[in-house]
Amino acid sequence: SQTIHQWPATLVQPVGSPLSLECTVEGTSNPNLYWYRQAAGRGLQLLFYSVGIGQISSEVPQNLSASRPQDRQFILSSKKLLLSDSGFYLCAWSAIPGLAATNLDSYNEQFFGPGTRLTVL
Amino acid sequence: ILNVEQSPQSLHVQEGDSTNFTCSFPSSNFYALHWYRWETAKSPEALFVMTLNGDEKKKGRISATLNTKEGYSYLYIKGSQPEDSATYLCAFSYGGSQGNLIFGKGTKLSVKP
Repeated sequence: SQTIHQWPATLVQPVGSPLSLECTVEGTSNPNLYWYRQAAGRGLQLLFYSVGIGQISSEVPQNLSASRPQDRQFILSSKKLLLSDSGFYLCAWSAIPGLAATNLDSYNEQFFGPGTRLTVL
Repeated sequence: ILNVEQSPQSLHVQEGDSTNFTCSFPSSNFYALHWYRWETAKSPEALFVMTLNGDEKKKGRISATLNTKEGYSYLYIKGSQPEDSATYLCAFSYGGSQGNLIFGKGTKLSVKP
């Protein structure tokens, strides 16, 4: 079965410090990978997604970057954190899209990691 | 810009009440509609994925319906329990989305004992 891991679970960082959040997936190959953020009082916002190693798409301009050095590893980074970067960060994976519609098609269902609560002070 | 709207934003009910909430999404180029349940301090968990107009799915006391022609889905909870308290997220995917889901902001349900 597939599992998705994120760490750390919680993080408190000063403004201007760097950030590195890691996400790994087990039990599947060539997944789509996603980073989301939920800021206080807001909905789930897609930050980055990746369809393969080294392929990163950014959804919103921001202070963050993402990398995918290995097939099942997705990293969220920042060189200098801002107060507005505080929030709950979720990593997710989905099966390869574009499959023919069969009973096995996931229809883009995404599976989420446990999340990281980031507080920037 | 593709947008998914959920209403109400929040809902407070008494234990035993039945409740429902709405998700509205673009009706063109529809591929699938997902409902997730998101408890505080946990990760979202998939409830349903629906693909066909008129689909109805049920899991215990929770059920959902889908109208792709008019672009809406309803989630129903029968006999709400305190453990149903969570944020219910709706997510839409369309043909050519490369697997991306567009999430609504969710409906936060609080069930008082």
